[in-house]
Amino acid sequence: GAVVSQHPSRVICKSGTSVKIECRSLDFQATTMFWYRQFPKQSLMLMATSNEGSKATYEQGVEKDKFLINHASLTLSTLTVTSAHPEDSSFYICSARGGAGNTIYFGEGSWLTVV
Amino acid sequence: AQSVTQLDSQVPVFEEAPVELRCNYSSSVSVYLFWYVQYPNQGLQLLLKYLSGSTLVKGINGFEAEFNKSQTSFHLRKPSVHISDTAEYFCAVSDQGTYKYIFGTGTRLKVLA
Repeated sequence: GAVVSQHPSRVICKSGTSVKIECRSLDFQATTMFWYRQFPKQSLMLMATSNEGSKATYEQGVEKDKFLINHASLTLSTLTVTSAHPEDSSFYICSARGGAGNTIYFGEGSWLTVV
Repeated sequence: AQSVTQLDSQVPVFEEAPVELRCNYSSSVSVYLFWYVQYPNQGLQLLLKYLSGSTLVKGINGFEAEFNKSQTSFHLRKPSVHISDTAEYFCAVSDQGTYKYIFGTGTRLKVLA
């Protein structure tokens, strides 16, 4: 079946640095990908919608200059957390729309810890 | 706009007992409904989904859910739980146009021996 892969699954970075998380659709083309974040013991909140070849659409309250999203190909979207701070520590998960019936598939998620 | 309410933040239940996890939603448009399970330190796994058709939906691991349009509910049930069902369960809705998901706050199911 369709698979969405995220890399890295876990990353620790120093405060002030930037970190990139990749979301790949492995066996289908995804025209749209979505990025969510989940704080500990909370629900998942949509951050942005990533469309291949165009600018991402950010949800209200999400800083687009801090969370850079690039959807350069039909199988890859990247989320870059710039100038990371400890409060950015979270679980980031992507989903991709595609395949038969335009199904949504979720990645395994990426744990970001900023120290 | 849509919203999802999961009334129970935690549900403890003994092994082999039945369980129901409640989910209510609100939406001004037609929606798709989903239940996901998240095991500790892992991503989301789709349990089941309602897109159209029969209101009783069967999913993996013996779970089922019933869509009730009049009550705007999509409760998840399992007749006999196992220790391995201990996890966080999320109800989600998606409108039929944007594919954006709105998640509930989650229900932590703890199965006791």
